[in-house]
Amino acid sequence: DSGVTQTPKHLITATGQRVTLRCSPRSGDLSVYWYQQSLDQGLQFLIHYYNGEERAKGNILERFSAQQFPDLHSELNLSSLELGDSALYFCASSETLAGDHEQYFGPGTRLTVT
Amino acid sequence: GNSVTQMEGPVTLSEEAFLTINCTYTATGYPSLFWYVQYPGEGLQLLLKATKADDKGSNKGFEATYRKETTSFHLEKGSVQVSDSAVYFCALLNFNKFYFGSGTKLNVKP
Repeated sequence: DSGVTQTPKHLITATGQRVTLRCSPRSGDLSVYWYQQSLDQGLQFLIHYYNGEERAKGNILERFSAQQFPDLHSELNLSSLELGDSALYFCASSETLAGDHEQYFGPGTRLTVT
Repeated sequence: GNSVTQMEGPVTLSEEAFLTINCTYTATGYPSLFWYVQYPGEGLQLLLKATKADDKGSNKGFEATYRKETTSFHLEKGSVQVSDSAVYFCALLNFNKFYFGSGTKLNVKP
C-alpha cells in the first residue's frame, strides 16, 4: 500500500459526459502528479501540482482540468468524454517539488467510456 | 524533443536467467532517468533512478547505468525470479515533465 488513495476504482460513463477523479496523496506529500495509461498511448504524464499550484503540464487535453485543494487532495476533471478517453488514470504523490524525488503511485481509476 | 524508447515485450525468461531490458532516450539538457515496475493490478513503483551521467542506480538486484554517450539506461539483473514478473517502464524527467517508454512485460517461468 503506497498510502495514495484514488476514488472511484472504476467508472463507466457515456460519451459527452463529465467525470471527476479524486486523489488523496500520502500524508505530508505536497506534490501530486496525474497520469493516463492507455493501451495505444502508453503512460502519459498529464499534470503536476505542488502545494496547490500547477507546476508542469504534459499531454493534457483542453477538455481535462485539474486542481489541488488546500487539504492537498487533487481532482482531475474530464469533460465531453470520448471513447478514446477510456484508460487507467493514476495519481502519484511525492514530498517535494523536485520531480526526481520518489513518487508513490495510487492504485488508479479505470475509466470506461461507452 | 524528449522521448524514451524501450524494447518491446514480452520478454520470457527462465528463473535465474540474466535480464537486460534496453532503454534509449532523446532529451535536451540533463534529464534524470528512472525505471519503474508495475505489478498486475497495481500502480507503478520506483525501482531505481540516476540523476547524472555515469551514475548507476540499483535496487533489489536490478541495475542501470546512465550512459550519456549512448543515450541509454538499460536495466539488468543477474538472476531473475518468478516474482520479478511485471511490466517495466523506463522514464526520463526533464524540465519538470516526465516521459515514459511504452513498457516491457517480463514473464519469468519457474
